[in-house]
Amino acid sequence: GQQVMQIPQYQHVQEGEDFTTYCNSSTTLSNIQWYKQRPGGHPVFLIQLVKSGEVKKQKRLTFQFGEAKKNSSLHITATQTTDVGTYFCAARTSGTYKYIFGTGTRLKVLA
Amino acid sequence: DTEVTQTPKHLVMGMTNKKSLKCEQHMGHRAMYWYKQKAKKPPELMFVYSYEKLSINESVPSRFSPECPNSSLLNLHLHALQPEDSALYLCASSQESGDQPQHFGDGTRLSIL
Repeated sequence: GQQVMQIPQYQHVQEGEDFTTYCNSSTTLSNIQWYKQRPGGHPVFLIQLVKSGEVKKQKRLTFQFGEAKKNSSLHITATQTTDVGTYFCAARTSGTYKYIFGTGTRLKVLA
Repeated sequence: DTEVTQTPKHLVMGMTNKKSLKCEQHMGHRAMYWYKQKAKKPPELMFVYSYEKLSINESVPSRFSPECPNSSLLNLHLHALQPEDSALYLCASSQESGDQPQHFGDGTRLSIL
């Protein structure tokens, strides 16, 4: 079945450093969503990407969808302690409205 | 604060018990979802309801029985669960199924003794 892998699994950064997580699918995607889950919390929707090569920004966060629509990335500039949590991509293929969550990247930010 | 409300927040039950998880949203969303999340793992889709009809069942064992009494409510009936069913059960809703953001509840943390 479809697999959605994220790398790295874990990342520890010093506050102020940048962070990137990568999401890779074995199949071509229709669209991709990104969620953040704080420790002890629930996933919170961040963004949705639909078009090949699409780039979207939200303050310090930059999201990109690959040209082949098989991968995506989330980049955080100058991390803050409030960025701590697990970042999940959720991928959908055409012909289904079901999202498969990626394996997640757990971010720790050291003050 | 989440706009999707789940009750109870915690549940401990024996393997022979019958219990239900409840989920409620008043955002007018027409798609509702149940996910299971084990510690340090991603949410795994269990069921999707669209316009109060079950549209996706991800081959979930019959000891889990979903129900959507109306467009605002989603239940998950539990019976004869196994210890490996211990997990966080998350409910989510979206405006429609498809290209819509999912809004998650805080979840019910379920422990099976």
